[in-house]
Amino acid sequence: DGGITQSPKYLFRKEGQNVTLSCEQNLNHDAMYWYRQDPGQGLRLIYYSQIVNDFQKGDIAEGYSVSREKKESFPLTVTSAQKNPTAFYLCASSITGTSGSWEQFFGPGTRLTVL
Amino acid sequence: AQSVAQPEDQVNVAEGNPLTVKCTYSVSGNPYLFWYVQYPNRGLQFLLKYITGDNLVKGSYGFEAEFNKSQTSFHLKKPSALVSDSALYFCAVREPYGSSNTGKLIFGQGTTLQVKP
Repeated sequence: DGGITQSPKYLFRKEGQNVTLSCEQNLNHDAMYWYRQDPGQGLRLIYYSQIVNDFQKGDIAEGYSVSREKKESFPLTVTSAQKNPTAFYLCASSITGTSGSWEQFFGPGTRLTVL
Repeated sequence: AQSVAQPEDQVNVAEGNPLTVKCTYSVSGNPYLFWYVQYPNRGLQFLLKYITGDNLVKGSYGFEAEFNKSQTSFHLKKPSALVSDSALYFCAVREPYGSSNTGKLIFGQGTTLQVKP
């Protein structure tokens, strides 16, 4: 799982609560990504950021929010507006620029369960 | 629109036999292709990539993949499977260079590889 850490490993949320998932990397990568993984559906992109203080919505951003105040950190908040948040969440990072092949390196994941 | 397809939900193979996990892609321009492996409740691990050059790419743990431009395929292969290879495998393609240059990866649905002793 390289130089990317995610915490907590397991997270339980009550209905109506917001929760924040942590993602930190020490790879000096500019770009960071959040994915959601559901059984049989592969990975779906939630948000991504190519540079500090900038981020873009992915394919399923509704009910989620992010911030990118530091290069190393890209926390994801799952808000109460996300109707079905139970899933496995994966954070990734990559280099950017035309000289790189841009493979993404993944953290170990956070499993979120709504009670 | 770019896409990746893994036509098999599951591949079963006996230990010691060769294995193939299939991947086809659709992307305009030259593709950057990747294979990742995921063990239960873990993140994805990078296996190999094709950027340019030799169509046969060698990666981690004895895996290799063959890029076939005419068939738009990038199948993952290993000459002799191990029980420990049993995992979920994802093929991915990177968005072609463009004005956005986001580096976004598009993933296939994943293929479960089951290697029986």
